[in-house]
Amino acid sequence: DAGVIQSPRHEVTEMGQEVTLRCKPISGHNSLFWYRQTMMRGLELLIYFNNNVPIDDSGMPEDRFSAKMPNASFSTLKIQPSEPRDSAVYFCASSSPVPPTQYFGPGTRLLVL
Amino acid sequence: AQSVTQLGSHVSVSEGALVLLRCNYSSSVPPYLFWYVQYPNQGLQLLLKYTSAATLVKGINGFEAEFKKSETSFHLTKPSAHMSDAAEYFCAVSEGDDKIIFGKGTRLHILP
Repeated sequence: DAGVIQSPRHEVTEMGQEVTLRCKPISGHNSLFWYRQTMMRGLELLIYFNNNVPIDDSGMPEDRFSAKMPNASFSTLKIQPSEPRDSAVYFCASSSPVPPTQYFGPGTRLLVL
Repeated sequence: AQSVTQLGSHVSVSEGALVLLRCNYSSSVPPYLFWYVQYPNQGLQLLLKYTSAATLVKGINGFEAEFKKSETSFHLTKPSAHMSDAAEYFCAVSEGDDKIIFGKGTRLHILP
């Protein structure tokens, strides 16, 4: 089992550019989560999917953020346009059903200049 | 609504001493409880989980946690701290749906 795979691991971009983060969940897991972690705000849930359907996107900061899950093995989180305040580590996690145990990827460290 | 409170954002212990990280939860139903560890520049790693079986749960790296319903607590302990235990530890609770609510984390410092 390769675990949750995220790419890229590091991303440096300039303000106004589009950023796309990618995630491959663990095979057989039916829920997928996107989190953001910063020193100031800690770990925040942005959005989660169940069976590829977005269930709760109340944590998405604003319309600049969007997430998709076109199939059970792939999800993207897009920021367009990016801003310096979006700099953070973005984690993807996938979850097995009961008990709802989440397994995290290594994260994407995003720096927006 | 479910919630988690971790007492102490920073805890320092000497190498070889007992590690005790405190976690209290709130839940309207019997909860699932978790401890995760995050080493620098890594993702969160599952340390252990409570799923209503034994109240004393053993995890990886010598850690264990005890579920105490009367105290609504799920404290994490390790008898003897090692330098490699320096990390951030997150307690989390779930009421059985998809979402897990995480605490704000406790950073563990190990003093030589």
